Amino acid sequence: GAGVSQTPSNKVTEKGKYVELRCDPISGHTALYWYRQSLGQGPEFLIYFQGTGAADDSGLPNDRFFAVRPEGSVSTLKIQRTERGDSAVYLCASSPSGGDSEQFFGPGTRLTVL
Amino acid sequence: GQQLNQSPQSMFIQEGEDVSMNCTSSSIFNTWLWYKQDPGEGPVLLIALYKAGELTSNGRLTAQFGITRKDSFLNISASIPSDVGIYFCAGQDSGYALNFGKGTSLLVTP
Repeated sequence: GAGVSQTPSNKVTEKGKYVELRCDPISGHTALYWYRQSLGQGPEFLIYFQGTGAADDSGLPNDRFFAVRPEGSVSTLKIQRTERGDSAVYLCASSPSGGDSEQFFGPGTRLTVL
Repeated sequence: GQQLNQSPQSMFIQEGEDVSMNCTSSSIFNTWLWYKQDPGEGPVLLIALYKAGELTSNGRLTAQFGITRKDSFLNISASIPSDVGIYFCAGQDSGYALNFGKGTSLLVTP
């Protein structure tokens, strides 16, 4: 079946602009996660959704970052007033339920802020 | 998140050799996981460990959950060219967020 998909695969933007990154989880998965992976590093947790609600957003670096999942399926990560330090690969993962159920990762969106 | 120390940072080996990498943490985890990431892809789960002392195999891969719950290792036996990639350890505590190491880059020459 279809895995986690993310669009766009690449996004280049200018400093100060607003960007939206989309994640389509595996159908039926109630849990959705966003991670950020900088060059040469492992992924870092940003936010976790259980259904429509953000159960934990403690990993969001500051208030320029926001994510939604209005219908409990597709999620959008929104970054306002982008900075060069926001450049990274943004990974989305989904799992059948929360807890320790396996997280399946998408291919990521590579964001470059010029 | 918690810091995981993963070593070695990179390995360059010949096909057929065995490989070992490990991960340590200053914090206790309830679950240890090992992922492989290919270029342009997300991490893919290789092995999950749920109990201290557990030793689990998946084909040529073997991983162990350390007794102290602060470490884990991954062994790959008889490496082949398609083993090339970046291997990440990840620890999970009572929550759901995965705490990743910095990765071990593996290169295998024929």
